[in-house]
Amino acid sequence: AQSVSQHNHHVILSEAASLELGCNYSYGGTVNLFWYVQYPGQHLQLLLKYFSGDPLVKGIKGFEAEFIKSKFSFNLRKPSVQWSDTAEYFCAVNENRDDKIIFGKGTRLHILP
Amino acid sequence: NAGVTQTPKFQVLKTGQSMTLQCAQDMNHEYMSWYRQDPGMGLRLIHYSVGAGITDQGEVPNGYNVSRSTTEDFPLRLLSAAPSQTSVYFCASRGQGLAGEQFFGPGTRLTVL
Repeated sequence: AQSVSQHNHHVILSEAASLELGCNYSYGGTVNLFWYVQYPGQHLQLLLKYFSGDPLVKGIKGFEAEFIKSKFSFNLRKPSVQWSDTAEYFCAVNENRDDKIIFGKGTRLHILP
Repeated sequence: NAGVTQTPKFQVLKTGQSMTLQCAQDMNHEYMSWYRQDPGMGLRLIHYSVGAGITDQGEVPNGYNVSRSTTEDFPLRLLSAAPSQTSVYFCASRGQGLAGEQFFGPGTRLTVL
């Protein structure tokens, strides 16, 4: 069964620091990959997605992610975080031959002003 | 478009009671799904549907039933609620193709006493 691992459960950074959140998945076939964000009190929103082409994907609010197939990874990055990036971030995977989208356990990001 | 709507927003049940969580979307999406979100567990897929009349189990289907009689609606039924089903429930729908963006509803916070 496919699974998604997010390495960091809780990350605390100061404003302007660089961010990298890890995500690994366990399926060896063709996958579609997603990062979602959940701001406090809100529902999930899509940050970015990868399904083919350039492995470096740019999303909203200055976020980007790199798909490294050999490492089964899809890490999320942002060069300089802001206080408003405080939220919970979820990585999700969908096998190309399946309809299910499986989520990781999430990383709670707290940005200090 | 209203997007994905869920009712109720909050619900308290006693152990053994039954109820239905409603979910509707007005985007003509074929794919719909139900997740539960618990602290430290991320989002876990309960059931999903790829179109009217077609449903399938996700990661944690036990204790929940679904049906999909129309494209728009995808209700989730708890036949005999248990305290372990205390959670926040999110419904989602997805546009065309496996890489389509998944849109989430606002969630239902359910407490089972």
